[in-house]
Amino acid sequence: AQSVTQPDIHITVSEGASLELRCNYSYGATPYLFWYVQSPGQGLQLLLKYFSGDTLVQGIKGFEAEFKRSQSSFNLRKPSVHWSDAAEYFCAVGGGGADGLTFGKGTHLIIQP
Amino acid sequence: DAGVTQSPTHLIKTRGQHVTLRCSPISGHKSVSWYQQVLGQGPQFIFQYYEKEERGRGNFPDRFSARQFPNYSSELNVNALLLGDSALYLCASSPDMGMVEKLFFGSGTQLSVL
Repeated sequence: AQSVTQPDIHITVSEGASLELRCNYSYGATPYLFWYVQSPGQGLQLLLKYFSGDTLVQGIKGFEAEFKRSQSSFNLRKPSVHWSDAAEYFCAVGGGGADGLTFGKGTHLIIQP
Repeated sequence: DAGVTQSPTHLIKTRGQHVTLRCSPISGHKSVSWYQQVLGQGPQFIFQYYEKEERGRGNFPDRFSARQFPNYSSELNVNALLLGDSALYLCASSPDMGMVEKLFFGSGTQLSVL
């Protein structure tokens, strides 16, 4: 069965500092991997996705993520966070087909002034 | 073009009642999926509909059902509501079945069961 682990429930970062959110997955084949962001009371916005090819993927809002097959990880990074980045971040895995996406429990990002 | 639209945005029901939530996919999208997001958790896949048939289902009881109409819109139905059904229900559409790489989410319907 596929699963996603986001080890950090909350992360606090100072504005302007760098950010890394961790994601580990379990999947039987080559996964499709995603990072989504959710603001309070809102739906999910796709930040970036990985299917194949270059293991470093670029997304919107200055985010990037690196796929490491040997570590079953897909960590999200941003070199300098802005106050508007405060939100809930979800990592997800899927393989296409009819089984949908499996999401982690999320990491709540807090930005300190 | 409009994104995925869901209605209503908020809903309050009591235990034992029935509820229907609605979703209109992005124009041209033929597949609709439903997810349940309980407070403090990530979304959980309920099922996917394509060409008016259920194509995949997560670990949800038969109280959860859905329909897809010829215009590809969808309704999620939940019978005999429980307090634990309180959640944000997200609809997502994609051009074809299983196209998770082109999956777009609506803003959700917040269901409160009292």
